Amino acid sequence: KAGVTQTPRYLIKTRGQQVTLSCSPISGHRSVSWYQQTPGQGLQFLFEYFSETQRNKGNFPGRFSGRQFSNSRSEMNVSTLELGDSALYLCASSQYRVTNTGELFFGEGSRLTVL
Amino acid sequence: GNSVTQMEGPVTLSEEAFLTINCTYTATGYPSLFWYVQYPGEGLQLLLKATKADDKGSNKGFEATYRKETTSFHLEKGSVQVSDSAVYFCALSDNSSNTGKLIFGQGTTLQVKP
Repeated sequence: KAGVTQTPRYLIKTRGQQVTLSCSPISGHRSVSWYQQTPGQGLQFLFEYFSETQRNKGNFPGRFSGRQFSNSRSEMNVSTLELGDSALYLCASSQYRVTNTGELFFGEGSRLTVL
Repeated sequence: GNSVTQMEGPVTLSEEAFLTINCTYTATGYPSLFWYVQYPGEGLQLLLKATKADDKGSNKGFEATYRKETTSFHLEKGSVQVSDSAVYFCALSDNSSNTGKLIFGQGTTLQVKP
């Protein structure tokens, strides 16, 4: 069974640009969550999507957005990039909403560097 | 709000030493507790979990017991190996509210030397 796939794995952008990251969950998983990982803040929750609907959003500015498609694939977008957005962005999927099972399956992440 | 606090790393041990990584939590409701592990260059993977007080989660020689009286979920292993070198994250999910997210601790880096 294929795992969670994130693309691109690495990318470099400059301040003010925007970026779109993609996540393909494990087949049959309907919930996709996104986390930002930085050395200073650790893992911070960004969003949760379930059945194409955003169910929960973390404490991030409106520059961070996302969506989920009917095949459960998800994208997140960051507009007007700032230096502080440099991070590893992790996508995780689960069959149901995480509060039901607690187990998330993580991808390897997309490492974003903003110059 | 809900939060998780882990001991700071890095933790450096010799092979076959005993490991303890401390984790305490603050939560309303009835959280489930988890340990996730992140090996170099990889995403996180679930190591073990416990869903109610006094439950013991175990996997690959690692154990953790859900202690409600001390709000703790310390990770232990009797004899670590070099291959256990990784970052370990304690996390909780609040089952009493439909938040749909996990709250992670800061992570503890473990280095095991041969």
